[in-house]
Amino acid sequence: DQQVKQNSPSLSVQEGRISILNCDYTNSMFDYFLWYKKYPAEGPTFLISISSIKDKNEDGRFTVFLNKSAKHLSLHIVPSQPGDSAVYFCAAREGGSEKLVFGKGTKLTVNP
Amino acid sequence: KAGVTQTPRYLIKTRGQQVTLSCSPISGHRSVSWYQQTPGQGLQFLFEYFSETQRNKGNFPGRFSGRQFSNSRSEMNVSTLELGDSALYLCASSFQGASSPLHFGNGTRLTVT
Repeated sequence: DQQVKQNSPSLSVQEGRISILNCDYTNSMFDYFLWYKKYPAEGPTFLISISSIKDKNEDGRFTVFLNKSAKHLSLHIVPSQPGDSAVYFCAAREGGSEKLVFGKGTKLTVNP
Repeated sequence: KAGVTQTPRYLIKTRGQQVTLSCSPISGHRSVSWYQQTPGQGLQFLFEYFSETQRNKGNFPGRFSGRQFSNSRSEMNVSTLELGDSALYLCASSFQGASSPLHFGNGTRLTVT
């Protein structure tokens, strides 16, 4: 039973355009959501997070949107750069727990 | 500030052996978690420690165990290794709090032959 789903295994975009990565969840007890970027042979790097009391959080080129009624969140990267090419993981946490539940990841390729 | 440090980076063991992996969290972080990453299952939660106490455990057999020391450093042990234990083992630390993200180390790549 996958509680966090990233339905697109891969995404390819042109440099300078917007990248939109999507994530769906089923557990309504999740109250904190995070996005991580991962390069091969390295650990995941924290990108941005959002609490369930918000619907948007922005940090530079990265914006995360949360739609609680649809149990859906998305990560927007604008403008996309070749260095953004990596696997992106969506993760969620239940209130009071440090345990993260991860999606399977989306491999983003930004073409020059 | 130094990040999460995991040692060793690579490890090769044979079936039936046991292994101990080490993790030093970011200074000031008291919560340490361990995850297993495999191509088929993705990132799976193993356990979490806070102030030397295990607070949460994932769905892994008892061969997987861990501990945390008074300086917040943590170790993870896998006994009676199986081929399926080959994976990237990731340690993460956090400051602890409702909106405190986990910060990961670069992992230990364990290969069981």
